[in-house]
Amino acid sequence: GQNIDQPTEMTATEGAIVQINCTYQTSGFNGLFWYQQHAGEAPTFLSYNVLDGLEEKGRFSSFLSRSKGYSYLLLKELQMKDSASYLCAVSSGGSYIPTFGRGTSLIVHP
Amino acid sequence: NAGVTQTPKFRILKIGQSMTLQCTQDMNHNYMYWYRQDPGMGLKLIYYSVGAGITDKGEVPNGYNVSRSTTEDFPLRLELAAPSQTSVYFCASSSGTSGGAVETQYFGPGTRLLVL
Repeated sequence: GQNIDQPTEMTATEGAIVQINCTYQTSGFNGLFWYQQHAGEAPTFLSYNVLDGLEEKGRFSSFLSRSKGYSYLLLKELQMKDSASYLCAVSSGGSYIPTFGRGTSLIVHP
Repeated sequence: NAGVTQTPKFRILKIGQSMTLQCTQDMNHNYMYWYRQDPGMGLKLIYYSVGAGITDKGEVPNGYNVSRSTTEDFPLRLELAAPSQTSVYFCASSSGTSGGAVETQYFGPGTRLLVL
């Protein structure tokens, strides 16, 4: 099985930078996803890491260290609309289907 | 493209009633999935399908059934609704053309189910 840990809730100020961590324990790692989910809506894809390092996509970046079982999502220049839940999901073993963590609820305040 | 669509958006069921949650995708994706999401929890996989006529159990299949007669449709059936099935249900799809590599999933808007 897999064990995925994320903080339950984080708060940050508009315009600031926030880092959301995700740690996982698994064997046969395939890849790690980050999804964004606004309240009452469906998850939407943000990023995907297979190899170690940083993937940058506009204001959002995602980092992966496979040896440490660790990833983070970095959100820069925070906007109020970034208030949402951020889901870390890990795919491993023979299954291509990711297992989701509980998600981190990010609250951005003025 | 509409992407992944789900009906109904919201439903109240009485204990013991049955219903079918509909899911349709127009992206010609091979893989489809059903998840449930309870408050403060992540997405739990109920069933999935890798193509028409093929389905398999996920992490929490008890109390549910699925079928996949076409590429586009993947309905989820609740036969005897129980309060524990109160949840938000998401259908998702992915292309299934990358030779087993991990793929991005596209989610429908969800169905909110309340069992009383």
